[in-house]
Amino acid sequence: GQQVMQIPQYQHVQEGEDFTTYCNSSTTLSNIQWYKQRPGGHPVFLIQLVKSGEVKKQKRLTFQFGEAKKNSSLHITATQTTDVGTYFCNSGGSNYKLTFGKGTLLTVNP
Amino acid sequence: ETGVTQSPTHLIKTRGQQVTLRCSSQSGHNTVSWYQQALGQGPQFIFQYYREEENGRGNFPPRFSGLQFPNYSSELNVNALELDDSALYLCASSGGQGYNSPLHFGNGTRLTVT
Repeated sequence: GQQVMQIPQYQHVQEGEDFTTYCNSSTTLSNIQWYKQRPGGHPVFLIQLVKSGEVKKQKRLTFQFGEAKKNSSLHITATQTTDVGTYFCNSGGSNYKLTFGKGTLLTVNP
Repeated sequence: ETGVTQSPTHLIKTRGQQVTLRCSSQSGHNTVSWYQQALGQGPQFIFQYYREEENGRGNFPPRFSGLQFPNYSSELNVNALELDDSALYLCASSGGQGYNSPLHFGNGTRLTVT
């Protein structure tokens, strides 16, 4: 089945630096969801984007949905050690073959 | 509000055996989805149940089967276990069918097949 592609696969930053992960699809998505999974934990829902060009913010996190609804990004400003984990995008909609991306593992050096 | 609970937390089985994993959905949620997550990979969709009916299935063989009960709890059954079935199995409940509702995950069951 189709899968959204996430880049980068890994990202290591110094605390205080910014971080961005991207999610890309070859097909138009009805919506996009973002999850965070801490090491040894389970995915936790962060946000859902539905509208073309939508931008949502949660404190230091900014989520964007592309105008064509084929890509999305998650940007973290001034990373903290608590941001460590794997960030996944997941596409919703009626196509059950779509699954989670492989995720971006973020590590933060204090 | 009660979250998603899964049992058992860990399980070791031998190749060829059968296993049943259980999940209680979050209160108020009528949809349960099961995912397999191999180490270092994203969750892979197995299937979804809505009101006791299978509502979508990923690329998993028929030896992966499930049930949903009237109280919306669910079971995942895997027959003829293979070594590659070793993974974290995640259950997620949501408030609506399909994939337009946020998923609330349980802590997962870590299955090891030897």
